[in-house]
Amino acid sequence: SAVISQKPSRDICQRGTSLTIQCQVDSQVTMMFWYRQQPGQSLTLIATANQGSEATYESGFVIDKFPISRPNLTFSTLTVSNMSPEDSSIYLCSAWGQGSMNTEAFFGQGTRLTVV
Amino acid sequence: TQLLEQSPQFLSIQEGENLTVYCNSSSVFSSLQWYRQEPGEGPVLLVTVVTGGEVKKLKRLTFQFGDARKDSSLHITAAQPGDTGLYLCGGGSNYKLTFGKGTLLTVNP
Repeated sequence: SAVISQKPSRDICQRGTSLTIQCQVDSQVTMMFWYRQQPGQSLTLIATANQGSEATYESGFVIDKFPISRPNLTFSTLTVSNMSPEDSSIYLCSAWGQGSMNTEAFFGQGTRLTVV
Repeated sequence: TQLLEQSPQFLSIQEGENLTVYCNSSSVFSSLQWYRQEPGEGPVLLVTVVTGGEVKKLKRLTFQFGDARKDSSLHITAAQPGDTGLYLCGGGSNYKLTFGKGTLLTVNP
């Protein structure tokens, strides 16, 4: 399994500002993902972040709003830009395991964002 | 777009009861995973099933993958309050996971 550390764990931000969420994996992984989740609800994929290439965004999410970095095989960041109250949510980082576990996803503990 | 229908969405039961959660799709998945998530935490992987008809057991939890790899079920025997949480099924295909809406399970003592 992979251990994923995500920070900050929570933050309260003013509208119009930006927040960068960091995700660190304890082993090298090819694919990392960013999800958004309302409390008690399912996960919505924002984008797939692969090292050495541009992130691939899902329908409804754009790079200007959610820029992503993936500088190496163990680290990624997601920025929530020009925030509004509608961006209040839980943001989760995920990585697929390597080798025989390459179909299994592991998650960070999430970042609970509140925009006021 | 591949969709996973998960049911029931909410389930509240008494300690000691049995329950089954279903995850259905019209699409075929190369693998299907079940997660449990507790408040303030990320989802934790419970099991991965990859072969049609596969059955896996994890203590009181039994997971089954349908023969056609389009559906799965999670059965919990003699539920305990510690089983309370959000259960998510995720279907893997083309290096992407699609999640169902989740089942919020509450086991009352």
